[in-house]
Amino acid sequence: GESVGLHLPTLSVQEGDNSIINCAYSNSASDYFIWYKQESGKGPQFIIDIRSNMDKRQGQRVTVLLNKTVKHLSLQIAATQPGDSAVYFCAESRGYSTLTFGKGTMLLVSP
Amino acid sequence: GAVVSQHPSWVICKSGTSVKIECRSLDFQATTMFWYRQFPKQSLMLMATSNEGSKATYEQGVEKDKFLINHASLTLSTLTVTSAHPEDSSFYICSAREIGVGSGRGGSTDTQYFGPGTRLTVL
Repeated sequence: GESVGLHLPTLSVQEGDNSIINCAYSNSASDYFIWYKQESGKGPQFIIDIRSNMDKRQGQRVTVLLNKTVKHLSLQIAATQPGDSAVYFCAESRGYSTLTFGKGTMLLVSP
Repeated sequence: GAVVSQHPSWVICKSGTSVKIECRSLDFQATTMFWYRQFPKQSLMLMATSNEGSKATYEQGVEKDKFLINHASLTLSTLTVTSAHPEDSSFYICSAREIGVGSGRGGSTDTQYFGPGTRLTVL
C-alpha cells in the first residue's frame, strides 16, 4: 500500500510464499545499493548489496535486482518465513559517500 | 558478520543532563563511523560522519555543539547528547565501515554495519 503520514508501506504474505519488496531510488549517479532488515527495537542488519555494474545478485534465499533505467531496486525473498517479518530498507550511495536510506517497507509473514 | 556494539542499549535521563553513547566495532577496524537518528515508523536520518582522528562532519540541521562526537580510535566512537531535552528522545544508531577489502562478510568496503541502537528517553 501507499505510505500516508507515518505509516510504512506494508506487505503481508503467507509463510512459504515468495516476497518481493520494491524500492525506487532517486540519484541516477548512485553506484552502490544495499538492503537492510530491521527488527523492532534493533539496528539494521545487512542482507545483500549490489553494484551498478550488475543487474542481479543472489544470496541465501534472497535476490536483489537492479534496474538502472527506471532507478528501481527490488529484494526477493524465497520461501518467506515468520522470522523474516521486519522492516526492510534499501539504501544507495555514490562512490565512497554516505548512504541515503529509503522509507522502508514492513513485511508481515503469517503462519 | 561484522559486529558493532552500542552501550547503553537504553537510557532514561532528566532534562538538562548529558548522555554519552558508545559505539564499538568488535571484530574489525573502522576508519569511519556514522551516527543516525530514527523516529518511530520512520527511516534512518544521518546525523554525522565520524572519521578516526579528525573532526566529525555534521549533516545540515544537526547542532554540533549539542551532539558531540569523538572518534578516538579505530574501534570506538562516542556520541554525547548535551543538555538533553524531551525532543531529543529517539533511537540513536551507529554504524561502522570496515577498512580495506571486504573480508567475506557478505558486503564490500562500502558496507556499513550497524549497532543495535540506543533508546534515549529524556524526561
